[in-house]
Amino acid sequence: AQSVSQHNHHVILSEAASLELGCNYSYGGTVNLFWYVQYPGQHLQLLLKYFSGDPLVKGIKGFEAEFIKSKFSFNLRKPSVQWSDTAEYFCAVIIKTDSWGKLQFGAGTQVVVTP
Amino acid sequence: SQTIHQWPATLVQPVGSPLSLECTVEGTSNPNLYWYRQAAGRGLQLLFYSVGIGQISSEVPQNLSASRPQDRQFILSSKKLLLSDSGFYLCAWRGRDRGSDTQYFGPGTRLTVL
Repeated sequence: AQSVSQHNHHVILSEAASLELGCNYSYGGTVNLFWYVQYPGQHLQLLLKYFSGDPLVKGIKGFEAEFIKSKFSFNLRKPSVQWSDTAEYFCAVIIKTDSWGKLQFGAGTQVVVTP
Repeated sequence: SQTIHQWPATLVQPVGSPLSLECTVEGTSNPNLYWYRQAAGRGLQLLFYSVGIGQISSEVPQNLSASRPQDRQFILSSKKLLLSDSGFYLCAWRGRDRGSDTQYFGPGTRLTVL
């Protein structure tokens, strides 16, 4: 079955630590990839996306993600986190041939950054 | 600019009662619209999507239904709520332009069924 997997459900780290969240998908075709973030009490918002081109994409707030096609992965990274990065992070995939644009989400990773 | 509204923001309903959640989009026309549910610890699940007025597709069997009476209005309904319907319901829209694969989400409705 097609799916999106996020490796960690909960991550706790200290400010200034580096963050890497894993995401793997199982679709065989060409995909568009997304990371969304949900800060406490706020809308789900787009962090970054990959459609084509340079597999290393940069998003808002110092986040970046790398698409590795051979590994079916789209891992999210930030070199030095801040307390304000405490949020839930979702990886999502759209199959390019799906004209309806249905997003398939991973289960999410809750990130807690301690001062 | 485009905005998306959902109401109510929170709702507490007894089992067996009806449900109506509303989503409206401003600043765009003929969007694709989506309903998702976010259950605790389970990520987001696509429930319904619509590509036009009166056109609804369902992703999962359930006691929920959706309707699109106007171009920028998407309604999620139930005749009789179940405990398992509790969750956070998100509406999203996507542009129809070629390459517009990004979905934008509303603030959500937190539903508690008791």
